[in-house]
Amino acid sequence: EAGVTQSPTHLIKTRGQQATLRCSPISGHTSVYWYQQALGLGLQFLLWYDEGEERNRGNFPPRFSGRQFPNYSSELNVNALELEDSALYLCASSPRNEQFFGPGTRLTVL
Amino acid sequence: KNEVEQSPQNLTAQEGEFITINCSYSVGISALHWLQQHPGGGIVSLFMLSSGKKKHGRLIATINIQEKHSSLHITASHPRDSAVYICAARVRGSQGNLIFGKGTKLSVKP
Repeated sequence: EAGVTQSPTHLIKTRGQQATLRCSPISGHTSVYWYQQALGLGLQFLLWYDEGEERNRGNFPPRFSGRQFPNYSSELNVNALELEDSALYLCASSPRNEQFFGPGTRLTVL
Repeated sequence: KNEVEQSPQNLTAQEGEFITINCSYSVGISALHWLQQHPGGGIVSLFMLSSGKKKHGRLIATINIQEKHSSLHITASHPRDSAVYICAARVRGSQGNLIFGKGTKLSVKP
């Protein structure tokens, strides 16, 4: 069974640009979670999508947004990038409670 | 004070030693997760538990709901166990997201 996949692996952007990160969940999983792991800050919950709907979001500004497609894959968009957005972005998929993590996308904002 | 606290922050052990990592939480939870993160960022879910004890190979996780405390034990530690171990709480009644501890960086020396 294929695991959660994320693309790209690395992404380099400059301040003010937009970044789009993608996540494909494990087949059959309808929930996708997005997390940010900034240096020294630990993992923080960003967004939760289930059945195509945003179900919950963490304490992040509106320039962090996303969507979930009919095939349950998901996109995370970060607009007007700031230097402090540099982080590892992880997505996880879940059939119910347990979460299975992808390898992450490392976003660097210069 | 963080809602999920881990100790120790860093841990160095000799190969073969028995290792314990502790996690305390201050919120009511529906489940507690133990995660392993290797250099490079990929996260593996080790355990999800809501009561008692679970064992997988050399890893054992326990939880005491009354004391709001969980432990992760590694028996006969090996250098390949070197990683960051993270506990994460699913808050009871929350919309699915996890609250993470800051992680314990384990280094097992040969």
